[in-house]
Amino acid sequence: KAGVTQTPRYLIKTRGQQVTLSCSPISGHRSVSWYQQTPGQGLQFLFEYFSETQRNKGNFPGRFSGRQFSNSRSEMNVSTLELGDSALYLCASSGGGLNYEQYFGPGTRLTVT
Amino acid sequence: KQEVTQIPAALSVPEGENLVLNCSFTDSAIYNLQWFRQDPGKGLTSLLLIQSSQREQTSGRLNASLDKSSGRSTLYIAASQPGDSATYLCAVTSQGGSEKLVFGKGTKLTVNP
Repeated sequence: KAGVTQTPRYLIKTRGQQVTLSCSPISGHRSVSWYQQTPGQGLQFLFEYFSETQRNKGNFPGRFSGRQFSNSRSEMNVSTLELGDSALYLCASSGGGLNYEQYFGPGTRLTVT
Repeated sequence: KQEVTQIPAALSVPEGENLVLNCSFTDSAIYNLQWFRQDPGKGLTSLLLIQSSQREQTSGRLNASLDKSSGRSTLYIAASQPGDSATYLCAVTSQGGSEKLVFGKGTKLTVNP
């Protein structure tokens, strides 16, 4: 069974631009969550989606948004990029219940210059 | 607000040593606890999931225990190998219907040959 895939793996953008990251969960998984990882703050929760509905949202500004499609694939978008948005963005998928393990993708490394 | 702490932040041991990594959390109302491993620049690999009703889980040379009432978990690694060198992260899912993971900052383990 294929794991969680994320595209692109690496991205370089300039301040003020916007970016869209994609995540394809493990086949059959309906829950997708996004996390931001930085050296200073560690791993911080961005959003959680289940069956195309946002189930929970972290404490990030409105420039960060996401969505989930009917095939459970998810995208996150960051508008008006700032230098502080440089981070590793990780996506996790699970079967959708609290007893399920969460499996992470390799991440997208975003650099904002 | 749930907070997760991991001690020590870094650990260096000789090959073959048994070792224990510690994780503590402030709110005992968790649903489960998951241990992950992260290699530099990579995503997270799930090691063990302990549900709140369980006391421990084992996988190969790894054993994780959970004491929910005291807010503590330990990850025991037997007969450590250089390939075990990585950052180990502990994360909890709190009760409330969301799969949001709250992470510790991790323990960076180095196993010297």
